[in-house]
Amino acid sequence: KAGVTQTPRYLIKTRGQQVTLSCSPISGHRSVSWYQQTPGQGLQFLFEYFSETQRNKGNFPGRFSGRQFSNSRSEMNVSTLELGDSALYLCASSPGTQNYGYTFGSGTRLTVV
Amino acid sequence: DAKTTQPTSMDCAEGRAANLPCNHSTISGNEYVYWYRQIHSQGPQYIIHGLKNNETNEMASLIITEDRKSSTLILPHATLRDTAVYYCIVRTFTGTASKLTFGTGTRLQVTL
Repeated sequence: KAGVTQTPRYLIKTRGQQVTLSCSPISGHRSVSWYQQTPGQGLQFLFEYFSETQRNKGNFPGRFSGRQFSNSRSEMNVSTLELGDSALYLCASSPGTQNYGYTFGSGTRLTVV
Repeated sequence: DAKTTQPTSMDCAEGRAANLPCNHSTISGNEYVYWYRQIHSQGPQYIIHGLKNNETNEMASLIITEDRKSSTLILPHATLRDTAVYYCIVRTFTGTASKLTFGTGTRLQVTL
């Protein structure tokens, strides 16, 4: 069974640019969540999508957005990049019901210069 | 959101049991305790989760106190490959939405 696939693995962008990251969940999983990991703040929840609807959102500015497609694949977008957006962005998928764990992808390492 | 408190770091000799404690005194009745670990900035790996009963799987055992205010993850025979940061997490729910609130975790070092 294929795991959670995140693309690209590494990315370098310039301040002010925007970036789109992609996540393909495990087949059959309907929930996709996104997390940001930085050395200073640790792992922080960004948002969760279920059946193409955002059903939970963390405490991040509006520059961070996401969406989910009918095949459950998800993208997150960060506009007007800042140096502080440099981080490991992790995607996690889940069947979406209460008693199941999340499976994480390997992440996308974003560096903003 | 329910907070978790874990020791910053622990050491364990290879072959011995590693017992990782976690406090979650503000946990609510319907909130699950999850354990994940992360190796070398890879994605976190799911280990085990539970609500109020003790749980065991091929990786570990989870012991939850009767009042659910604390738990212990047990790796029965630690190996060098178990060296990682271990996160104890309370999964919070808002209606049907949920999220994992990560703390700072315990850095477990397994040594020869």
